[in-house]
Amino acid sequence: AQKITQTQPGMFVQEKEAVTLDCTYDTSDPSYGLFWYKQPSSGEMIFLIYQGSYDQQNATEGRYSLNFQKARKSANLVISASQLGDSAMYFCAMRRGIGAGSYQLTFGKGTKLSVIP
Amino acid sequence: ETGVTQSPTHLIKTRGQQVTLRCSSQSGHNTVSWYQQALGQGPQFIFQYYREEENGRGNFPPRFSGLQFPNYSSELNVNALELDDSALYLCASSWRGQGAGETQYFGPGTRLLVL
Repeated sequence: AQKITQTQPGMFVQEKEAVTLDCTYDTSDPSYGLFWYKQPSSGEMIFLIYQGSYDQQNATEGRYSLNFQKARKSANLVISASQLGDSAMYFCAMRRGIGAGSYQLTFGKGTKLSVIP
Repeated sequence: ETGVTQSPTHLIKTRGQQVTLRCSSQSGHNTVSWYQQALGQGPQFIFQYYREEENGRGNFPPRFSGLQFPNYSSELNVNALELDDSALYLCASSWRGQGAGETQYFGPGTRLLVL
């Protein structure tokens, strides 16, 4: 069974500073995908970034980067130059590459990020 | 915006009633997934539809059922509502065939309150 662990219920960061949100995962599959989503108070889950288990380089998307350490089974999200609009819940999620259950995302419990002016 | 729409945005029902939630997929997507998100929790997978058939199901009872239509829109039906069904219901669409990289794009959700 797959499991995602986000150990930080809440985080604070000063505006314009960088912040790292932690995510560890548990799987025995060789092929899998890791995702980060942002959920503002409005409720919509916004896709931020994706990392495949076979990707050699860490994924980056604008101010978002994923610090992927496969041996440690961690996929931390780094947000650079934080903005007030980054205040939201952030969810790490995982998907199997093939086989049973490859159709579903398994989510962590989330981290609430608050950006301070 | 993802192009995934859901209706209604909010809904109040009483215990024992039935409810239908609707989702319109992003253009070009052929797969729809439904998730339930209780307050303070991460989303939980309910089921997925591909080519109008249920393709996978999470740990939800049969009173949770769904449909996918030829235009890839979808419905989630919940019968015999229970108080614990109160949650945010999220629909996500994707394009099947990308393997582990298949990205699901979510709609704004429907907030269901069961009294």
